[in-house]
Amino acid sequence: EIVMTQSPATVAVSPGERVTLSCRASQRLGTNLAWYQQKRGQAPRLLISGASTRAAGIPARFSGSGSGTDFTLTISSLQSEDSGLYYCQQYKGSPPWTFGHGTKVEIK
Amino acid sequence: QVQLRESGPGLVKPSQTLSLTCTVSSASVTSRDSYWTWIRQNPGTGLEWIGYIYFDGHTIYNPSLKSRLTLSLDISKNQFFLKLTSVTAADTALYFCAREVRGTGTLDFWGLGTLVTVSS
Repeated sequence: EIVMTQSPATVAVSPGERVTLSCRASQRLGTNLAWYQQKRGQAPRLLISGASTRAAGIPARFSGSGSGTDFTLTISSLQSEDSGLYYCQQYKGSPPWTFGHGTKVEIK
Repeated sequence: QVQLRESGPGLVKPSQTLSLTCTVSSASVTSRDSYWTWIRQNPGTGLEWIGYIYFDGHTIYNPSLKSRLTLSLDISKNQFFLKLTSVTAADTALYFCAREVRGTGTLDFWGLGTLVTVSS
């Protein structure tokens, strides 16, 4: 099973600042990686697939990069509504797909 | 916009069977481009992919749950189901149903989740 490790566990950022979240895989994934946002009491929402392709309706301030084992999600200018948990998920080859434990983004 | 809604008992006794239903709207479980998926979430283990079922009944299960898990679907009701036997406290979680676009590995529509507690 592929293990996904996210860092940091928590980050606190002021509105308008840039945020960078990291995700590392225990095996090479190519670009078979997705990012999700989860707000309190809600289901996860797909942000990014293929490591860098924004899902429909996702604002351009969200961007993903990376390949192989190291990936990054960047929020270029943090908005108050961006607080929540962010998860990466790998989907290389065959299931089971696995998720990271998440990074909590807080607004200062 | 695909909509999914989970339902089922919120409390299950240890060693019993957990049964959940996912009702799909604005899409059909007979869709050839969808894998109907279950995921669960608890504070200790985070998000865990449980398995999926395809319109023809083909299933893929997480090996960690395979011996206790059955997924099925009812085309007439546009629903799919999860059954997990011999539950323990470790199965306490928020259970989500979701749609994976076939062949993509990504989950583009999710239900709100239903909390299941395993306790006597």
